[in-house]
Amino acid sequence: NAGVTQTPKFRVLKTGQSMTLLCAQDMNHEYMYWYRQDPGMGLRLIHYSVGEGTTAKGEVPDGYNVSRLKKQNFLLGLESAAPSQTSVYFCAIWSGYEQYFGPGTRLTVT
Amino acid sequence: AQKVTQAQTEISVVEKEDVTLDCVYETRDTTYYLFWYKQPPSGELVFLIRRNSFDEQNEISGRYSWNFQKSTSSFNFTITASQVVDSAVYFCALSEAGDYKLSFGAGTTVTVRA
Repeated sequence: NAGVTQTPKFRVLKTGQSMTLLCAQDMNHEYMYWYRQDPGMGLRLIHYSVGEGTTAKGEVPDGYNVSRLKKQNFLLGLESAAPSQTSVYFCAIWSGYEQYFGPGTRLTVT
Repeated sequence: AQKVTQAQTEISVVEKEDVTLDCVYETRDTTYYLFWYKQPPSGELVFLIRRNSFDEQNEISGRYSWNFQKSTSSFNFTITASQVVDSAVYFCALSEAGDYKLSFGAGTTVTVRA
């Protein structure tokens, strides 16, 4: 996973707090994605971007915002965290053949 | 809307047994891509295979094989002579051309016992 990094790896938030997850890629790819993984539900798409300055909603966008100001970085923000946002968050890029995933961020909201 | 169904939640086998994971998909697109990913206990997602909608050829890679049948909208995965290292969660996923968003199945947890 050297080409896609996620910061932080772990985080515990209290309800109502805000935070930003950073996804960085060093491969100059256009398409980037944010997913969340919950037990028994696979991965679900939150938001995605098809290029610098663009963002679009996925399947479960509520409660999240994103920005892609630089091509290399895709930020996922939680403005007011809720316990329902406890999850593992994965960032991915489209390599041209498959989606390549970062190592994940485990977020707990208490 | 796209949908991927992995009906098997968990499968437990003894080492050297074969195991087949089922994947059924729904899509209205004529051009689409099917994937399998592996998630070992360490948590990372590992790409295994991609199949294009216009290519129904089955594929074998070592002990892994995949059977793609458009007539039944299925893309099944078989591990032959399973090993303990095959223990993981396996996800089937579908994307359409254009933005390549993935729709994942719920995953099948495979446990291989020595």
